[in-house]
Amino acid sequence: EAGVAQSPRYKIIEKRQSVAFWCNPISGHATLYWYQQILGQGPKLLIQFQNNGVVDDSQLPKDRFSAERLKGVDSTLKIQPAKLEDSAVYLCASSPSGGPATQYFGPGTRLLVL
Amino acid sequence: GENVEQHPSTLSVQEGDSAVIKCTYSDSASNYFPWYKQELGKRPQLIIDIRSNVGEKKDQRIAVTLNKTAKHFSLHITETQPEDSAVYFCAASISRGSYIPTFGRGTSLIVHP
Repeated sequence: EAGVAQSPRYKIIEKRQSVAFWCNPISGHATLYWYQQILGQGPKLLIQFQNNGVVDDSQLPKDRFSAERLKGVDSTLKIQPAKLEDSAVYLCASSPSGGPATQYFGPGTRLLVL
Repeated sequence: GENVEQHPSTLSVQEGDSAVIKCTYSDSASNYFPWYKQELGKRPQLIIDIRSNVGEKKDQRIAVTLNKTAKHFSLHITETQPEDSAVYFCAASISRGSYIPTFGRGTSLIVHP
């Protein structure tokens, strides 16, 4: 089966600019996660969707970050405006259901904010 | 919210030795504990997981133990090989309709040939 797809793979922007990331989960997977992984740290959950509803977004900086999952399939994560500390790898993952199941990660988008 | 502490941050062993990575969690409601391996420049991949109704689980050279009372769980790798070199992450998940994971900071395992 095809894996989780993400684009772009790399992005360099200047602070205060906007950026958007796209994720296409594995077909049929109901749960989609966006993580921020800063170098040397574990993935930090930003937002979790179950179909097109938000399960948890308690760690999403809502003043600058937004995410949506229209039609319960693809998802986009946006940062507006970006700060230097947003430099990280943004990982998307999906799992078949909201239960205890394997998460399949995408390749990530490496963001550098200058 | 849940807090997961992972130790050590770096672990260096000789090929053939065993490696143990430990994690503690704060929320007793957590009931699903996966471990992920992330090789340099690659995405995390699940290597083993355990649910709270089980105390130990083994898969070939990898085992995980869980102590619910003490709120800690450990990853054990026996007969380590150079290809085991990677960063390992533990996670604790709480069910709130859907399982919400919190990851540890990771352990960089280096296996010297």
